[in-house]
Parts: sequence; C-alpha cells; structure tokens
Amino acid sequence: DVKVTQSSRYLVKRTGEKVFLECVQDMDHENMFWYRQDPGLGLRLIYFSYDVKMKEKGDIPEGYSVSREKKERFSLILESASTNQTSMYLCASIPGQGTNQPQHFGDGTRLSIL
Amino acid sequence: GNSVTQMEGPVTLSEEAFLTINCTYTATGYPSLFWYVQYPGEGLQLLLKATKADDKGSNKGFEATYRKETTSFHLEKGSVQVSDSAVYFCALTLGYNFNKFYFGSGTKLNVKP
Repeated sequence: DVKVTQSSRYLVKRTGEKVFLECVQDMDHENMFWYRQDPGLGLRLIYFSYDVKMKEKGDIPEGYSVSREKKERFSLILESASTNQTSMYLCASIPGQGTNQPQHFGDGTRLSIL
Repeated sequence: GNSVTQMEGPVTLSEEAFLTINCTYTATGYPSLFWYVQYPGEGLQLLLKATKADDKGSNKGFEATYRKETTSFHLEKGSVQVSDSAVYFCALTLGYNFNKFYFGSGTKLNVKP
C-alpha cells in the first residue's frame, strides 16, 4: 500500500514564524500536492510538484512556498505565518500522467497560528 | 473548465436508512471519477472510482455509476451505519495536466443510532 506520511498531526506556531510542513511518500510517485482544507471551502490546491526541483502554483499560493529536493519528500513553507493560515493541511501523491490512479493522502497536519 | 458540484450538507440519517449524495461534474475531456471519504481528524481515503462511462464503482456497500449523459456520479448506500459518519468528497481527474484533481466541497454525513 502507498503510504504518505506528514511529519506532524498537530502544530502550533506564532505569527511571523517560518513554518515547515513535511511530507514523505514511499511509492516513487512523480507528482505531489499540497492542499489546505477549510470548513465550507473544501480542498484548495496550494502548490504541486511534478519532479525534483520542479513546482507549479496552485489556486492559492500566496504566502506559501515549497521545496522538493528529493523525489519522496515535498515540503510546504509558510514564510511568515499569519493567523489566516490556521487550517488543516493535506499532502497527496500520485504516479505520472495518464494512469487513472487515485491521489493518495496523508493524515493531515492541523496547524494553528497564534 | 473542470469542476465538481456536490449537494450541500450536513446530511443526517438514521441507521439503516438509504443514502444518496449527489455529485455532478463539468469536464473539458473524458474524466475519471472518484469518491473519497474523510473520517474525523484524518486525511482522505479513496472509497471508489470509475474510469469510463457506465462503469460502476463499489466498495464497503457504497456504489456510484458514471453517467456521461447526465454528467453525474451519485454516491449511494442501501443501509448506512453509525460508522459511516464522515465527510464525502467527489473528485475528477483528466489523467493529464500533472494528474491534477478537482474536488467538490464535501458533504458531511451524520448517522444517528
């Protein structure tokens, strides 16, 4: 089974801090995604990556950056955390294009910015 | 463009009731369709999928049929249990464009004993 592991289930940080959320997948998937989930808004795509060092903006990239130095690891960075970034963050991975495969999700990180 | 529309929740049912959660989609090509389930405090898990018109996906008593003529993929279960209480997401992918997925807003299901 594919396993997507997010480093923290719960995280509390302060306004202005630089925050790192880590995600690791064990199935050699090319594509990895970061979403945030908020009540009533569903899942919104922040950034995704289709290869090492390659990244694309999603629908809501402002205030975030990402890093993919190794194929199995995809990091989401909040450069200067703000209270409106309090949310549930979900990481997902999927094989390369055209496979009709599902995205596989981690358990999520519930981030609170105080 | 590509999008998914789900019925708004929450949906509240008694145990053993029949469940339908409506999902319709708009797609620029021929999508694959998915239902995911999210239990409290967890990530999304794949529930079922269908990759072409008239396919029926099924798992754990849940079913959904890919209806191209009505662009729908409604989720059904004949007899829900308390343990089915969760949020359900409908999603589509076109299999290109980096395998991006388009998710509905989710429908919360509450099942009462």
